[in-house]
Amino acid sequence: KAGVTQTPRYLIKTRGQQVTLSCSPISGHRSVSWYQQTPGQGLQFLFEYFSETQRNKGNFPGRFSGRQFSNSRSEMNVSTLELGDSALYLCASSLGTGSGETQYFGPGTRLLVL
Amino acid sequence: QQPVQSPQAVILREGEDAVINCSSSKALYSVHWYRQKHGEAPVFLMILLKGGEQKGHEKISASFNEKKQQSSLYLTASQLSYSGTYFCGTGGHGGTYNQGGKLIFGQGTELSVKP
Repeated sequence: KAGVTQTPRYLIKTRGQQVTLSCSPISGHRSVSWYQQTPGQGLQFLFEYFSETQRNKGNFPGRFSGRQFSNSRSEMNVSTLELGDSALYLCASSLGTGSGETQYFGPGTRLLVL
Repeated sequence: QQPVQSPQAVILREGEDAVINCSSSKALYSVHWYRQKHGEAPVFLMILLKGGEQKGHEKISASFNEKKQQSSLYLTASQLSYSGTYFCGTGGHGGTYNQGGKLIFGQGTELSVKP
């Protein structure tokens, strides 16, 4: 079974631009969570989507948004990019949305904002 | 709310054992353990659930003390491939299952295994 896939893998943007990242979960998984990883802040939860609905949201500004499609694929969007948005963005998929569900991470999208 | 991991770093020789601890100030439903190698995504190792259910690997074991909101990951007979950063992620803050998939991760423990 194929794992979680994320596209693109690397991205360079300039301040003020916007970016859209994509995540395809493991086949049959209906929940997708997004995390931001930086050396300073570590792994931080952005949001979770299940059945096309946002289930949970972390403490990030409104510039960060996401959505999920009927095939469980998910996208996240960051508008008006700032230098501090440079990070590894990871998505993780799980079968369901309970707190006891195992989450499997994709390879991540490394975003550099100049 | 972020769980605290200890130690921050550990260096081992092949064959030695290690214990990594994860402590939360909140009641939890689950503790998730991952290993991440440099430049790669976190890889799932183990999940521990309130009530004692445990899922994971053969050579890696873990415990979850629900009363103390503490979990420990035990790595036995370490191999070179065990090197990496270990993260615990806590879920179900408040101690219930129906909190969704939000995980809060500790700051990581860097483990290095030398020949």
